[in-house]
Amino acid sequence: DQQVKQNSPSLSVQEGRISILNCDYTNSMFDYFLWYKKYPAEGPTFLISISSIKDKNEDGRFTVFLNKSAKHLSLHIVPSQPGDSAVYFCAASKDSGATNKLIFGTGTLLAVQP
Amino acid sequence: KAGVTQTPRYLIKTRGQQVTLSCSPISGHRSVSWYQQTPGQGLQFLFEYFSETQRNKGNFPGRFSGRQFSNSRSEMNVSTLELGDSALYLCASSYSSGANVLTFGAGSRLTVL
Repeated sequence: DQQVKQNSPSLSVQEGRISILNCDYTNSMFDYFLWYKKYPAEGPTFLISISSIKDKNEDGRFTVFLNKSAKHLSLHIVPSQPGDSAVYFCAASKDSGATNKLIFGTGTLLAVQP
Repeated sequence: KAGVTQTPRYLIKTRGQQVTLSCSPISGHRSVSWYQQTPGQGLQFLFEYFSETQRNKGNFPGRFSGRQFSNSRSEMNVSTLELGDSALYLCASSYSSGANVLTFGAGSRLTVL
């Protein structure tokens, strides 16, 4: 049972445009959400996170939006750069103050074309 | 500041063998978590250790086990290897349990023949 879903395996965007990566979840007990980026032959690196009490969090070119009623979150990258090309994983946590157990989606491969 | 170090980076085993993977967390980090990454499955949580105690365990068979030492270094072991155990095994550390923002190592790529 996949509790965190990334339904788009891949996404291609032109440099300078906006990249929108989507993530859906099924468990309403999740209270913290994160995005990680992964380059080949490297471990995932933390990008941005959001608590369930917020609906938006912004960090430079990256913004995460959370829609709790739809159980949906999205990552916006503006403007997209070729160095953003990587696999992006959405992750969720419940009891976030007590455990580091994260439930990950299957990832979306973003390709930013120069 | 050194990152999370995993050894070995690559290894090949045959069915029925066992394997031990090692993880050295960032200095000062006391929580270590292990994840399995396979194509199409994303990252799946194996277990989390904090101060030498297993805090949480994922939905994996008993062939998968782990431990943490007093210096926070961790090992995971897989016994009686199966072909389906071929995967990238990722270790992540954080200062405490519940910090959620994990720092991952580059992983150990296990191939089972």
